[in-house]
Amino acid sequence: DAGVTQSPTHLIKTRGQHVTLRCSPISGHKSVSWYQQVLGQGPQFIFQYYEKEERGRGNFPDRFSARQFPNYSSELNVNALLLGDSALYLCASSGRQGADTIYFGEGSWLTVV
Amino acid sequence: QQQVKQSPQSLIVQKGGIPIINCAYENTAFDYFPWYQQFPGKGPALLIAIRPDVSEKKEGRFTISFNKSAKQFSLHIMDSQPGDSATYFCAASAHQGAQKLVFGQGTRLTINP
Repeated sequence: DAGVTQSPTHLIKTRGQHVTLRCSPISGHKSVSWYQQVLGQGPQFIFQYYEKEERGRGNFPDRFSARQFPNYSSELNVNALLLGDSALYLCASSGRQGADTIYFGEGSWLTVV
Repeated sequence: QQQVKQSPQSLIVQKGGIPIINCAYENTAFDYFPWYQQFPGKGPALLIAIRPDVSEKKEGRFTISFNKSAKQFSLHIMDSQPGDSATYFCAASAHQGAQKLVFGQGTRLTINP
């Protein structure tokens, strides 16, 4: 079975631009979460979606938004990119709300220049 | 109160040794404590996890020890191998509310041959 898949794997954007990152959860999983991992640090929680509804939001500015589609895939959007947004963006999925076991994808490396 | 503090930041052990990584938390609502292993350029992979109703859990060469009263938990790697060289993250989450992992800062482990 395929794990959590993310695209693109690497991308370079210019300050002020917009980026969309995509994620497909493990088949049968209904919960998708997004994390930001800056080099040398642990992942930081951005959003969680379950059954297409936002269930949690981390301490990130409104430039960050996300949504979940009927097939449970998800998009993370970041507007007005800053240099500090350069990071590995991780998508994670789990089977149900409150389920403990969370599986991560390989991530999307975003470089803002 | 949402923090998880992890130590040491880096650790070098000889092959066959037993590296120990420690984590501490403050939030008593945390009730799930996973450890993730991350290789360079990859997403975090779930290694082993524990709930506070047990004091120890072992899976293969990996063991979690949990001290609920001290709000501390640790990862032990038995018979360590050079292939175990990676960054290890402890994390914690609460059953209630958003499905959100709070990560420690990570430990870069090197196993010398």
